[in-house]
Amino acid sequence: SQTIHQWPATLVQPVGSPLSLECTVEGTSNPNLYWYRQAAGRGLQLLFYSVGIGQISSEVPQNLSASRPQDRQFILSSKKLLLSDSGFYLCAWSPAGKSYNEQFFGPGTRLTVL
Amino acid sequence: LAKTTQPISMDSYEGQEVNITCSHNNIATNDYITWYQQFPSQGPRFIIQGYKTKVTNEVASLFIPADRKSSTLSLPRVSLSDTAVYYCLVGDSWAGNNRKLIWGLGTSLAVNP
Repeated sequence: SQTIHQWPATLVQPVGSPLSLECTVEGTSNPNLYWYRQAAGRGLQLLFYSVGIGQISSEVPQNLSASRPQDRQFILSSKKLLLSDSGFYLCAWSPAGKSYNEQFFGPGTRLTVL
Repeated sequence: LAKTTQPISMDSYEGQEVNITCSHNNIATNDYITWYQQFPSQGPRFIIQGYKTKVTNEVASLFIPADRKSSTLSLPRVSLSDTAVYYCLVGDSWAGNNRKLIWGLGTSLAVNP
């Protein structure tokens, strides 16, 4: 069966510090991968998605970046965090070649920028 | 551009049937309409997906009219554990070759004893 892992579960970082969140998927090959952010009490905002290694599409221009160094690894980064980067970050995957609508989410990372 | 509209919140009681409607204009003609459930501090969980008419699985039914400008998630006989936020997800018909997904803002369902 397929599983998706995210870490860390919670993170508190000062403004201006770097960020690296990691997501890995097991039990499937060539998945579509997604990074979302969810502010408190708000809906899901798609940040990045990837259909393959090294292929990253950005949905929202900001101080975040994403990379996919391996088929089942997706990394979200920032060089300098802003207060507005606080939120709940979710990684998701969907099967290759199928409807993008059926996505499977990880447990999320709660990021607080102080 | 596609746009979705859902009620912000709904209240219900245990054992009742709950219907949550999402309005969505200009969605992709060849795309599914999907619904998710999210509990606090967890990632959303896929519930059901359909293209048109009616789809039913072990947890919910999804009704989609012929014009596909809305969809209704139906939860039969809700229990306290169905208290969650429910999102609709559609594809944007104006994305061209670059497919875009549009998430609703979510409906917070509270089930009372």
